[in-house]
Amino acid sequence: DAGITQSPRYKITETGRQVTLMCHQTWSHSYMFWYRQDLGHGLRLIYYSAAADITDKGEVPDGYVVSRSKTENFPLTLESATRSQTSVYFCASSESIRQEAGNTIYFGEGSWLTVV
Amino acid sequence: AQKVTQAQTEISVVEKEDVTLDCVYETRDTTYYLFWYKQPPSGELVFLIRRNSFDEQNEISGRYSWNFQKSTSSFNFTITASQVVDSAVYFCALSEGFRDDKLIFGTGTRLQVFP
Repeated sequence: DAGITQSPRYKITETGRQVTLMCHQTWSHSYMFWYRQDLGHGLRLIYYSAAADITDKGEVPDGYVVSRSKTENFPLTLESATRSQTSVYFCASSESIRQEAGNTIYFGEGSWLTVV
Repeated sequence: AQKVTQAQTEISVVEKEDVTLDCVYETRDTTYYLFWYKQPPSGELVFLIRRNSFDEQNEISGRYSWNFQKSTSSFNFTITASQVVDSAVYFCALSEGFRDDKLIFGTGTRLQVFP
């Protein structure tokens, strides 16, 4: 009943390798997001998805690929990891927008990725 | 363009002091949402509050209070009688509500509360 879970929580990989970070949510939220957190930058949006099979770029999408074949899953893939992608990655989800509801976005616990 | 500025990088206080974390935002939309999140040393992001642009009433929740002023585009967060457990990084964020839920984050303010 964790709501939104990320795996792996910690990963060390080598430059040039492909890495996939998994994100799973149990709420059936329509929206899902990937953010990266870096010192001095706060959190920056990488990609987001409004529904299954609908994805769009955020602020820093280069070097990343996402897919959303099922509503509950939103994996993030680094096709050829670089040292600049060493970061903490947060997945998040929220319900569909309704003005009166004013959505809350819920975050996973984060995935610490180190590229050496 | 949307932007959130948290000018205070780090604040240190002694327990029981009151502390205010500043947040200034920029947006062209008339409908938007403002958030505060807490990130304790364990790393997870904890939702604290959401405010919509039509509601300028200040809010109080225990030792926490928020002051939303559209005239100055600010959404400041005050902790009264701070405690060591309040030590964390605090993020202010903005979402322009009609289009999507993308959050634009500030760079965060690290609060250290010393006993």
